[in-house]
Amino acid sequence: SQELEQSPQSLIVQEGKNLTINCTSSKTLYGLYWYKQKYGEGLIFLMMLQKGGEEKSHEKITAKLDEKKQQSSLHITASQPSHAGIYLCGADMYSGGGADGLTFGKGTHLIIQP
Amino acid sequence: DAGVTQSPTHLIKTRGQHVTLRCSPISGHKSVSWYQQVLGQGPQFIFQYYEKEERGRGNFPDRFSARQFPNYSSELNVNALLLGDSALYLCASSRQIPSYEQYFGPGTRLTVT
Repeated sequence: SQELEQSPQSLIVQEGKNLTINCTSSKTLYGLYWYKQKYGEGLIFLMMLQKGGEEKSHEKITAKLDEKKQQSSLHITASQPSHAGIYLCGADMYSGGGADGLTFGKGTHLIIQP
Repeated sequence: DAGVTQSPTHLIKTRGQHVTLRCSPISGHKSVSWYQQVLGQGPQFIFQYYEKEERGRGNFPDRFSARQFPNYSSELNVNALLLGDSALYLCASSRQIPSYEQYFGPGTRLTVT
């Protein structure tokens, strides 16, 4: 089974509406990263969360890591066409300090309808 | 400041051939990681290098190898290419390890025919 589950797999939202993407693990996450990717391109760094209960915001995007450090959510307020793309969560799954690289979810495809 | 750069952008190879992909990290970053992303999946970790030493390796066959140079740039080599090696290969750099912000390059699209 996938170590990092993202939901939903795809999302169609009308422009101006709010939306939330979730990232869940059965294991403790030692670092949680959110990236945005346009099809076939590189990943754009959005935010990194490390502490339980931590919340960060950048422009209209807010990400939270729960207290148990097993679930994160990405919330977009008043969505715009520029928010369209694939959102990926990645995580340090092991306490060994990241030498195992990041484990990624399969991504959430976000479409913004005008 | 320039971001992570990768070359080439696209590459087409034949089964059995060898390929070398290159990555230059952000200035001041000492760690480079390589990932493979096949269509419809999230990236999968291949290698991590820090200060020119391999610090981590994912579940990939020995046909995959990498190295990091004194200027912190890196090469990923894949021998005896298979059709299944067709993917987007991504390089990420970070200032240090562990658990520092990782910034990705635009990727190299490898097609094996």
